[in-house]
Amino acid sequence: DVKVTQSSRYLVKRTGEKVFLECVQDMDHENMFWYRQDPGLGLRLIYFSYDVKMKEKGDIPEGYSVSREKKERFSLILESASTNQTSMYLCASSAQETQYFGPGTRLLVL
Amino acid sequence: GENVEQHPSTLSVQEGDSAVIKCTYSDSASNYFPWYKQELGKRPQLIIDIRSNVGEKKDQRIAVTLNKTAKHFSLHITETQPEDSAVYFCAATPRGYIPTFGRGTSLIVHP
Repeated sequence: DVKVTQSSRYLVKRTGEKVFLECVQDMDHENMFWYRQDPGLGLRLIYFSYDVKMKEKGDIPEGYSVSREKKERFSLILESASTNQTSMYLCASSAQETQYFGPGTRLLVL
Repeated sequence: GENVEQHPSTLSVQEGDSAVIKCTYSDSASNYFPWYKQELGKRPQLIIDIRSNVGEKKDQRIAVTLNKTAKHFSLHITETQPEDSAVYFCAATPRGYIPTFGRGTSLIVHP
C-alpha cells in the first residue's frame, strides 16, 4: 500500500518567514509533485520532480522553490511567506499515471 | 498548455438519483483521463480512469465516457448514496505523467 506522508497537517507562520514543507513516499516512485488547493480553483501544480535533483516548474511556481536530494523526499520551500500563500498544500507521487496524494498541509500565513 | 473545464461546480442530488459530472479538455495530445474523489478532510484518491483508445469504462456504480472528437469526458454515478458525497476532480494528461486537473465538483447526496 502506497504511503505518502507530509511533515505537518497544520502550520501557522508569519509574513516573511521561510517555510519548509516536507513530503516522503515509501514506494520508490520517480515522480513527485506539489500542488496547491484553493476553493473553486482545484489542484494547481507548483513544481514537480521526475528524478533526484531534477525539478521542473508547474503552473504557479512564483514564490516557491523545491528540493529533492533523495528519491523518497520532496520539499517545498516558501522563501518569504506571504498572506496570499495561505492555502492547502498537497504532495503526490507516482510511478506512472496514478497519483498518490499525501494528507495535505493547511498553511496559514499571518 | 492543457486547459480542463469541469461542470458543474456543485451538484446536489437525492439518494438513489444519478449524478453526471462533465469535463472538457483542449490538448488533443491528452490520452489518459483519471477521476479523483476527495472526501471531506481527506486526500484525493483515484476512483476510475479511462484511456483514449476506449470510449467507456464501468466499475460497479460508476462509469466514465470519453469522446475524443469532441474532447470531453464524463463521470456517471448511478444509485447515489450519502457516502458518494465528496469533491470530484477530473484530469487530462497531455505531458507524460503530469495531469492537468479541473476545478472540482462538490457532490452532495441528500438522504
